[in-house]
Amino acid sequence: KAGVTQTPRYLIKTRGQQVTLSCSPISGHRSVSWYQQTPGQGLQFLFEYFSETQRNKGNFPGRFSGRQFSNSRSEMNVSTLELGDSALYLCASSLPVGASSTQYFGPGTRLTVL
Amino acid sequence: DQQVKQNSPSLSVQEGRISILNCDYTNSMFDYFLWYKKYPAEGPTFLISISSIKDKNEDGRFTVFLNKSAKHLSLHIVPSQPGDSAVYFCAATQTGANNLFFGTGTRLTVIP
Repeated sequence: KAGVTQTPRYLIKTRGQQVTLSCSPISGHRSVSWYQQTPGQGLQFLFEYFSETQRNKGNFPGRFSGRQFSNSRSEMNVSTLELGDSALYLCASSLPVGASSTQYFGPGTRLTVL
Repeated sequence: DQQVKQNSPSLSVQEGRISILNCDYTNSMFDYFLWYKKYPAEGPTFLISISSIKDKNEDGRFTVFLNKSAKHLSLHIVPSQPGDSAVYFCAATQTGANNLFFGTGTRLTVIP
């Protein structure tokens, strides 16, 4: 089975711009979660989508948003980029069973904001 | 507010010996715990998990122990191999939720 894929792998933007990142989950996985990794804050949960609905949200400003499509692919958008948004953005997919299920991560998108 | 903590930023172990990585958590609502291995510029790779109804789970060279009263878990790798050198993250969540809370990671170096 193919793993989680993320595009693009690397991105350079300037302050004030917006960016869209894409994630394709493992086939059959319907839950997609997004995380941000920075040297200062570590790995932090952004949000989770299941059946095209946001089910859970971390403590990030409204500039961070996402969506999920009917094929479970997900996109994450960051508007009005700030220097502090430079990070590795990771997407993870899982089976949305009742009990906690394991999340499998993609390779990430490295975003640099200049 | 760091709900999951890994107090050792680094650990060096000789090849063939046991590696023990530790993790503490503060939120008593957490009932599912995972360990991930990570290389730079890559996504975390799932290693092993444990539910709070168990106190031990084993998968090959990897064993995770959970002490609920102490809110502590540990990952044992036996025997350690040079290919195990990476950053290890523990993560915790509540059943039914899909938001993982991660520790800050421990860099393991296995010396040949």
